[in-house]
Amino acid sequence: DVKVTQSSRYLVKRTGEKVFLECVQDMDHENMFWYRQDPGLGLRLIYFSYDVKMKEKGDIPEGYSVSREKKERFSLILESASTNQTSMYLCASRGGTASYGYTFGSGTRLTVV
Amino acid sequence: AQSVTQLDSHVSVSEGTPVLLRCNYSSSYSPSLFWYVQHPNKGLQLLLKYTSAATLVKGINGFEAEFKKSETSFHLTKPSAHMSDAAEYFCVVSDWSGGSNYKLTFGKGTLLTVNP
Repeated sequence: DVKVTQSSRYLVKRTGEKVFLECVQDMDHENMFWYRQDPGLGLRLIYFSYDVKMKEKGDIPEGYSVSREKKERFSLILESASTNQTSMYLCASRGGTASYGYTFGSGTRLTVV
Repeated sequence: AQSVTQLDSHVSVSEGTPVLLRCNYSSSYSPSLFWYVQHPNKGLQLLLKYTSAATLVKGINGFEAEFKKSETSFHLTKPSAHMSDAAEYFCVVSDWSGGSNYKLTFGKGTLLTVNP
């Protein structure tokens, strides 16, 4: 089974800090994604990547950046954390075409105080 | 543009009774459709997927869904609810968005409560 591992389950950071959320997948998938999940808003796509060193903006990229230096790792960066970035962050990966389905990590619950 | 509407934000059933979670979608092309389940403080787990093969799709834990193109629906059902089914369920459409790109669109979720 594909495993998508998010390095932290819970994080508490201060306003203005630079925050790194790490995601690693073990099935050589080309495609990786970062979502945030908020009550009443569902999941919203922040950034995605179809290949190493490649990134594309999703629906809500403002305040975020990403890095994909290796195929298995996709990092989400909050350049200067703000309280409105308090959320559950979910990483996903997918191989091949859309019909393969996506495998999600367990999520990182980030609180910015 | 594609969209997904989950018609109920909350469904409550008694243990042993049928479950119906409703989902309607819109898509310009031939989409792939998925149902995911999320238990509290967990990631999303794939329940089942439709990818233009059989219209009745069977998934894990006794769930199934029927793709009805004429109604643009992909409702999730289970004949008999179990306490462990209590979770949030997401209907998802994946559609071509140009080039080699596909875009996932999530419904807002349906919270399933199972009463003893």
